[in-house]
Amino acid sequence: SAVISQKPSRDICQRGTSLTIQCQVDSQVTMMFWYRQQPGQSLTLIATANQGSEATYESGFVIDKFPISRPNLTFSTLTVSNMSPEDSSIYLCSVEAGQGRYEQYFGPGTRLTVT
Amino acid sequence: KQEVTQIPAALSVPEGENLVLNCSFTDSAIYNLQWFRQDPGKGLTSLLLIQSSQREQTSGRLNASLDKSSGRSTLYIAASQPGDSATYLCAPADNKLTFGGGTRVLVKP
Repeated sequence: SAVISQKPSRDICQRGTSLTIQCQVDSQVTMMFWYRQQPGQSLTLIATANQGSEATYESGFVIDKFPISRPNLTFSTLTVSNMSPEDSSIYLCSVEAGQGRYEQYFGPGTRLTVT
Repeated sequence: KQEVTQIPAALSVPEGENLVLNCSFTDSAIYNLQWFRQDPGKGLTSLLLIQSSQREQTSGRLNASLDKSSGRSTLYIAASQPGDSATYLCAPADNKLTFGGGTRVLVKP
């Protein structure tokens, strides 16, 4: 398994500003993922972040809005840029671990409210 | 594109009853399927992972079955307890996880 922490756990931000969310895992992993969960909705994958390469974004998500860094095998950041109230969501990072079982483990999430 | 449906969307049962949560998916070319639990405002806890070659997986009171050819998985929770109240999500994996809408479970004392 993997233990994942995220900072901040929650934040209230003004529209037009940016917030960077940090994700730290307790072991080295190749694959890290960022998800968004809008109020009352299920999870949607934003992007996959592999160390040493550019993040791969899903349809509907762009790097200018959600830049991602992956400087090493235990850490990643997601920035939500130029925020609007529609960006109010829970943002979750996850990692793939489990010795070839491709099992994903999730962090506790960051609850973002944009006013 | 994988599409995942979970039925029912919500379920309310008295304590002690068995729970049956259904998940269907459109693309059977998966390599595993995970069931997760999510408490309100929290992250996801992995409950069970079923590899594509397996038909079921058990952990304590939880049992999950997988019929890959028909695109179905079922999560059984035996002898439900109030602490089982949460939203349960299934997610088949091809090159990524695709989540269903979840089943919100309430177990009444």
